[in-house]
Amino acid sequence: QVRLQESGPGLVKPSETLSLTCTVSGGSISDYYYNWIRQPPGKGLEYIGSIYYNGITNYNPSLESRATTSVDTSKNQFSLKLSSVTSADTAVYYCARAAISGSKRDAFDIWGQGTMVTVSS
Amino acid sequence: DIQVTQSPSSLSASVGVRVTITCRASEGIVSTYLNWYQQKPGKAPKLLIYGASSLQSGVPSRFSGSGSGTDFTLTISSLQPEDSATYYCQQSYNIPRTFGQGTKLEIK
Repeated sequence: QVRLQESGPGLVKPSETLSLTCTVSGGSISDYYYNWIRQPPGKGLEYIGSIYYNGITNYNPSLESRATTSVDTSKNQFSLKLSSVTSADTAVYYCARAAISGSKRDAFDIWGQGTMVTVSS
Repeated sequence: DIQVTQSPSSLSASVGVRVTITCRASEGIVSTYLNWYQQKPGKAPKLLIYGASSLQSGVPSRFSGSGSGTDFTLTISSLQPEDSATYYCQQSYNIPRTFGQGTKLEIK
């Protein structure tokens, strides 16, 4: 069974860079692309960006200047870096899988449990 | 960006009744690239419906989706206590992916 697990610091100082990793276990990564989504406390869901196993990326224009995603296929891991963080970046960060093709294409069918990141000095 | 608007933002209903949540895309059409998720407190969202009307494996058949173009509906045919949650629609037609603001469903 495929599982996604986010990891990274739970506390980041303002103006610094948030760094998270998503580890995929139990399945191949090549037929899917992986997405980062966040949810501020008590609020809705916001798409951050996507990365394919071959390194192709897409970003939300609202975050594109600060977000960078990367992939390490040898470790089945995807990473997110978000620079110059402020308190507005405090949120639960999720990674989620989406199929590249087929009837379920582009739907987020498997999610990690999420990791809370607080931006505070 | 395609804005996705859900209604209502919250509702309260009794066990056994039929519940409908609607979702509207703001511009152009998203064809059937519309998905529905259920989120319970402290948990990650769970995919219920993809492609506007296809039921995700393992999801009870009381959940169904319909619509195409700009207007979509999630229906729960007979509400159960475990359906208390927040429901989100999401368009996967283009980038950035966008979510509705959520509908909080409470069981009376």
